[in-house]
Amino acid sequence: GESVGLHLPTLSVQEGDNSIINCAYSNSASDYFIWYKQESGKGPQFIIDIRSNMDKRQGQRVTVLLNKTVKHLSLQIAATQPGDSAVYFCAETDANNAGNMLTFGGGTRLMVKP
Amino acid sequence: DAMVIQNPRYQVTQFGKPVTLSCSQTLNHNVMYWYQQKSSQAPKLLFHYYDKDFNNEADTPDNFQSRRPNTSFCFLDIRSPGLGDAAMYLCATSREKGRRAEAFFGQGTRLTVV
Repeated sequence: GESVGLHLPTLSVQEGDNSIINCAYSNSASDYFIWYKQESGKGPQFIIDIRSNMDKRQGQRVTVLLNKTVKHLSLQIAATQPGDSAVYFCAETDANNAGNMLTFGGGTRLMVKP
Repeated sequence: DAMVIQNPRYQVTQFGKPVTLSCSQTLNHNVMYWYQQKSSQAPKLLFHYYDKDFNNEADTPDNFQSRRPNTSFCFLDIRSPGLGDAAMYLCATSREKGRRAEAFFGQGTRLTVV
């Protein structure tokens, strides 16, 4: 079936460096994507979203890039801080899905070294 | 201020003893979701309500039921919890489905089955 998945289960970066978390999706009808951050023992927290009519969107210290040709999504975190340590999930929904539910990818754990 | 509130944060129940998890929202969103999240895994959608319409995922066991008595509250009932039902249960809401499907999550209830 359709799926959303991540390439790297764990990413370790030095504080102050930039982080890049990747996500691949297989449903060509996907048209809305969200990145969530989940800290230990907490629910997922919305970070940034992007629609399929865009290829880049920037927030505060975060940038999401969408490459529809290869069905790839990435989250870039600038000047990574210890507070960025968490598991990051991408999620997608597609316009053709009558239920339009979010489908989550497998998650990447970001570890920030001081 | 918390917008999606789950109670309790931690729940211990006995094998086979019915348990109910609660969720309330102050966002007046139309859609409420229940997700199950096991350790180091992505959230898995169990079911959702669009207003009063209940939508069950095809692979959600019959052991899991839900009630939404009004816009603000939604309950997850596990009729006969098994050891395999131990997980974090996440409630989420969204204003609409489809392109406005951004989900807001509660902090989750961690269920332990003994």
